Amino acid sequence: DVKVTQSSRYLVKRTGEKVFLECVQDMDHENMFWYRQDPGLGLRLIYFSYDVKMKEKGDIPEGYSVSREKKERFSLILESASTNQTSMYLCASSTRTEGANVLTFGAGSRLTVL
Amino acid sequence: GQSLEQPSEVTAVEGAIVQINCTYQTSGFYGLSWYQQHDGGAPTFLSYNALDGLEETGRFSSFLSRSDSYGYLLLQELQMKDSASYFCAVRDTGGFKTIFGAGTRLFVKA
Repeated sequence: DVKVTQSSRYLVKRTGEKVFLECVQDMDHENMFWYRQDPGLGLRLIYFSYDVKMKEKGDIPEGYSVSREKKERFSLILESASTNQTSMYLCASSTRTEGANVLTFGAGSRLTVL
Repeated sequence: GQSLEQPSEVTAVEGAIVQINCTYQTSGFYGLSWYQQHDGGAPTFLSYNALDGLEETGRFSSFLSRSDSYGYLLLQELQMKDSASYFCAVRDTGGFKTIFGAGTRLFVKA
């Protein structure tokens, strides 16, 4: 069964802390994405990557950075967490041919920043 | 700006048919997708339309009219397990960005 695995299901961090959210996929997908999901706002794209070491900004990249050193792993980094980054973070992947049409999502990481 | 509009909530009874509409306004268009998300779960892909017309997958069908910038998801023979949020999503210009609507919460009553 194809899988996107997010390392932490729930995290609680303090304002100013550095936060790492890890995502691993075992499907050999080229594309990987990070979204955040907030009630009433749907899913908003933070960053995406279409190849190793490649990254592109999404719609809300401010306050975030990403790293893709290996094809299967895409990390989201909050350099200095703030309370407005409290959210559900969803990682997704897709094949190069499917582009962004068919995304496979992980279970999500719910981050609370106090 | 870019936006997708869908109703926030829909309620229907078990066994009925329900239609969830989605209108979009985006700078580019490479296809309309639908995702289902149960509470506490991950969004899962349901269907994709690149061309006008109806796509059927079991009890679920999806329709697209590019000239109207409009699509819908049709769920037939509703079951309690269909209670979930449904998101429409448009693949934007450049091919890698998918923009999501805010989601429609479907309540299925017995």
